[in-house]
Amino acid sequence: DIEMTQSPLSLSVTPGEPASISCRSSQSLLHSNGYKYLGWYLQKPGQSPQLLIYLGSNRASGVPDRFSGSGSGTDFTLKISRVEAEDVGLYYCMQTLQIPQTFGQGTKVEIK
Amino acid sequence: QVHLVQSGAETRKPGASVKVSCKVSGNNFSKYPIYWVRLGPGQRLEWMGWINVGNGFTKYSQKFQGRVIISRDTFASTAYLELSSLRSEDTAVYYCARYYGDHEALDFWGQGTMITVSS
Repeated sequence: DIEMTQSPLSLSVTPGEPASISCRSSQSLLHSNGYKYLGWYLQKPGQSPQLLIYLGSNRASGVPDRFSGSGSGTDFTLKISRVEAEDVGLYYCMQTLQIPQTFGQGTKVEIK
Repeated sequence: QVHLVQSGAETRKPGASVKVSCKVSGNNFSKYPIYWVRLGPGQRLEWMGWINVGNGFTKYSQKFQGRVIISRDTFASTAYLELSSLRSEDTAVYYCARYYGDHEALDFWGQGTMITVSS
């Protein structure tokens, strides 16, 4: 199984400041078609997870442009350029390259 | 707009089975696979399996092989997750989600169903 490791596991951020979450996979997530099979999800308190970023760097519909994703085959980063109060929650990375599809441990983001 | 609406919370005793439903509206039900993912207390999200709702093909995580059945009723636009031989470690929130192949991601999620396994 592909192991997904996120860091940090928790993050306390001042509103308006940037934040960054790392996700590392135990195997490359680069498909032969050139796409990286890595997604980012946010689970706000009391809600279901919602898709933020797909294929490593593409924002999902309706996601604010302060969110961005980047990365190579095994190292990925989610960046929030200016954190807002509504961004609190648990952030997960997920690989969809190989079955079983696996998630990172989650990173809890809170506001200072 | 796409909506996935799941059945309500359930409590079961160890050894019992549970079946969770996921009704999909707002899209062509047969076109998109449905995934089942769970989140246990203090755990990470865990992929359980998926179903191609068009032809009924299923794929399960080896961890749940033999205990899980994912099915669908195309006329009711509903997918199902059945988990048997329940144990306390199966206590979790269970989510269905639509898999959008063009993005290789889960773009719409159900609201979650809490399953509690307790004697």
